Amino acid sequence: QQQVKQSPQSLIVQKGGISIINCAYENTAFDYFPWYQQFPGKGPALLIAIRPDVSEKKEGRFTISFNKSAKQFSLHIMDSQPGDSATYFCAASITGGSQGNLIFGKGTKLSVKP
Amino acid sequence: KAGVTQTPRYLIKTRGQQVTLSCSPISGHRSVSWYQQTPGQGLQFLFEYFSETQRNKGNFPGRFSGRQFSNSRSEMNVSTLELGDSALYLCASSWTEGAATDTQYFGPGTRLTVL
Repeated sequence: QQQVKQSPQSLIVQKGGISIINCAYENTAFDYFPWYQQFPGKGPALLIAIRPDVSEKKEGRFTISFNKSAKQFSLHIMDSQPGDSATYFCAASITGGSQGNLIFGKGTKLSVKP
Repeated sequence: KAGVTQTPRYLIKTRGQQVTLSCSPISGHRSVSWYQQTPGQGLQFLFEYFSETQRNKGNFPGRFSGRQFSNSRSEMNVSTLELGDSALYLCASSWTEGAATDTQYFGPGTRLTVL
């Protein structure tokens, strides 16, 4: 119930293409869904986040789509660039109270080919 | 503003030893969370401290412990090290308790290798 399942495990995209990473969750109490980007040797950095009261959030080339009924959310990277090559993690948490820790997906290693 | 800092960045220990890792949060942040990252298990939550009190704990054995000081700096300790404890240990800080309404900012991590 606490798991967040992420797919695919790895993804190769041509420069200029669209990268799509999907996540699914079971716990309907989750109400905060961030995406993190991690480069080798660095800690994860928040990329974009969404709450279940909206179905889509866009920031630059990055868009989160959220489907509450299906308990799924996805990250779309438009016009993918070689600099986007990194590992991406989706996460979920329950805001408020004392259970605010992030539950992470296993990660997707994205390679953008020039 | 300086980011989250973690020391040391790399550690090599042998089985049975103990280790202490340190985390300095972003100035003004009162919440510090610790995560373990391994290739097999990914990122797993260890514990969270807020105002010197442990507020939440993940599913790790009692060999893993932590504390937070009055200046919000935090330490985590692993006793009786096992080979499986080899991992990247990440610290994250935020203004408020948990990932509630707040972004968690991660440090670069401490790479622990247990031989």
